[in-house]
Amino acid sequence: DARVTQTPRHKVTEMGQEVTMRCQPILGHNTVFWYRQTMMQGLELLAYFRNRAPLDDSGMPKDRFSAEMPDATLATLKIQPSEPRDSAVYFCASGLGQGAYNEQFFGPGTRLTVL
Amino acid sequence: QKEVEQDPGPLSVPEGAIVSLNCTYSNSAFQYFMWYRQYSRKGPELLMYTYSSGNKEDGRFTAQVDKSSKYISLFIRDSQPSDSATYLCAMSARVYDMRFGAGTRLTVKP
Repeated sequence: DARVTQTPRHKVTEMGQEVTMRCQPILGHNTVFWYRQTMMQGLELLAYFRNRAPLDDSGMPKDRFSAEMPDATLATLKIQPSEPRDSAVYFCASGLGQGAYNEQFFGPGTRLTVL
Repeated sequence: QKEVEQDPGPLSVPEGAIVSLNCTYSNSAFQYFMWYRQYSRKGPELLMYTYSSGNKEDGRFTAQVDKSSKYISLFIRDSQPSDSATYLCAMSARVYDMRFGAGTRLTVKP
């Protein structure tokens, strides 16, 4: 049963602390996406990787957020320093990147609370 | 004004009812249209995908796209309690850059 996995599932931290969220895409998928979901803004694309290369991170606050893919089985999203307004659910999704439409398979999300 | 507008509801219907969910959008470059279902505390999962205008049917679900009106719909026939979830419309001009609606929370009562 191929699934996107994310760790941790829940994270509570204090303002100013570094937060690292991890994602394991489905084996064989070459596109990875990071999204943030809040009640106010809904689901927003933060970053997009293809073959481990960042192709679009225009949705990400550059001063505090960074996204990387150290290898094909791991994607990370870091926030440093974290702020209360970063509280949200962060989703990772992966896809095959083939054909006219790149279906994205979402992980269960990391629920982040910054106090 | 947001690129994608979706009434957040909530929407409550009796079991067996026909459900109609809708989104409007402003970006005429959108050509890929999706509906996602999201259960509580879970990630979204793709329900339907349509390219450009037209209808698409999959079991009890029908997706419609009217590009001239910038309006998309999802119909659920014979709704079931297991259909209770948040339904998100999504659309994109490029294959990856999706814009999501706010999501409509649906409850189907037995």
